[in-house]
Amino acid sequence: QVQLQESGPGLVKPSETLSLTCTVSGYSMTSGYYWGWVRQPPGKGLEWIGNIYHTGSTYYNPSLKSRVTISVDTSKDQFSLKLNSVTAADTAIYYCVRRSRIAMSLFDPWGQGTLVTVSS
Amino acid sequence: QTVVTQEPSLSVSPGGTVTLTCGLSSRSVSTNYFPSWYQQTPGQAPRTLMYNTDTLSSGVPDRFSGSILGNKAALTITGAQADDESDYYCVLYMGSGISVFGGGTKLTVL
Repeated sequence: QVQLQESGPGLVKPSETLSLTCTVSGYSMTSGYYWGWVRQPPGKGLEWIGNIYHTGSTYYNPSLKSRVTISVDTSKDQFSLKLNSVTAADTAIYYCVRRSRIAMSLFDPWGQGTLVTVSS
Repeated sequence: QTVVTQEPSLSVSPGGTVTLTCGLSSRSVSTNYFPSWYQQTPGQAPRTLMYNTDTLSSGVPDRFSGSILGNKAALTITGAQADDESDYYCVLYMGSGISVFGGGTKLTVL
């Protein structure tokens, strides 16, 4: 069964770059799904960040597009998130997800999530 | 900026029926938006309940159902149980690879 696991620093300084990696197990990343990121500020709702296909095609939330880069390394079964120029508003739990190519709003499964705090 | 609307909070009595909705500020929701629903309890990752409007995710009890009601997507819980008390999020596919989550509904069972 497919499993996703986020990893990366839990603390990032303001104005620096947040970097997270998601490792995929139990499924081939080239088998026809999108891979992406969703975040959730403490006590608030979910926000879609973006998706990537194994070919490298990317789709980003327009409100974050200028600061976000999602990349994929299928040889390592990983995909990554970079968010630059972070502020306290970027403090959130970051989830990596798999998105269906047919059921276009189906995000499943989800990683357990990792809390990233932006603070000096 | 597209806004997906959900009721901030709802309550239901144990055994009762409640309908959560998912709308758009400027147009009607249809199956073309592939509405999906997620349940989240505190400290946990979201769990998929429903996708493609009315397809139940594996392992989800059939007291949950999905539909289009009027101009919104809807999630109905029939025979609510105590452990249905959770936050519920819908998400719509807007095209061009873009998805938008609703603000979530906090459901209380009392």
